[in-house]
Amino acid sequence: EAQVTQNPRYLITVTGKKLTVTCSQNMNHEYMSWYRQDPGLGLRQIYYSMNVEVTDKGDVPEGYKVSRKEKRNFPLILESPSPNQTSLYFCASSWRANYGYTFGSGTRLTVV
Amino acid sequence: DQQVKQNSPSLSVQEGRISILNCDYTNSMFDYFLWYKKYPAEGPTFLISISSIKDKNEDGRFTVFLNKSAKHLSLHIVPSQPGDSAVYFCAAKGGKTGTASKLTFGTGTRLQVTL
Repeated sequence: EAQVTQNPRYLITVTGKKLTVTCSQNMNHEYMSWYRQDPGLGLRQIYYSMNVEVTDKGDVPEGYKVSRKEKRNFPLILESPSPNQTSLYFCASSWRANYGYTFGSGTRLTVV
Repeated sequence: DQQVKQNSPSLSVQEGRISILNCDYTNSMFDYFLWYKKYPAEGPTFLISISSIKDKNEDGRFTVFLNKSAKHLSLHIVPSQPGDSAVYFCAAKGGKTGTASKLTFGTGTRLQVTL
């Protein structure tokens, strides 16, 4: 089944403790992206990647890192999480620039 | 600065009637627009899209209209069904060179289709 898989689904952590949210797609898509969803703000892009080793900042990249060492994986790294990064995170992939993204099921992160 | 705006946070429509969801944008460089549907506890699902060179795109019960001069697009669902109850996000692509994969989303409209 074609899908985007992100883990974990739920995560509660403490301020400053480094964490990684994994994302993997099995569709051989070139484009991958991370979004966060917050009430009243919709979905905002954090980082995106156009291919292996090619990444760029989205609208809200501060406090996040990404890497794209393999085509299928696009992990989101929070080196020192803070409470304002409490949010619902979505990973997405697409095989062409003008195709709709396929989204994962989301990761609900709480930073206390 | 919200470049893609959905000014109606919610909409209630009777089953069988038409649902019209609206979206406005400010960046005239956007050249591709998409609608996504989102159910609770799931990721957004791609619904329908339209290129800026068109003014209408239809897929079954879903039609998207684009008015470039007004920087406005709308999604029509006819007839509306209870299973259409979800949050609908408008999204736009383009803007700057090299940002072909950057999607800018609106804040969403919650559609409730009542019996």
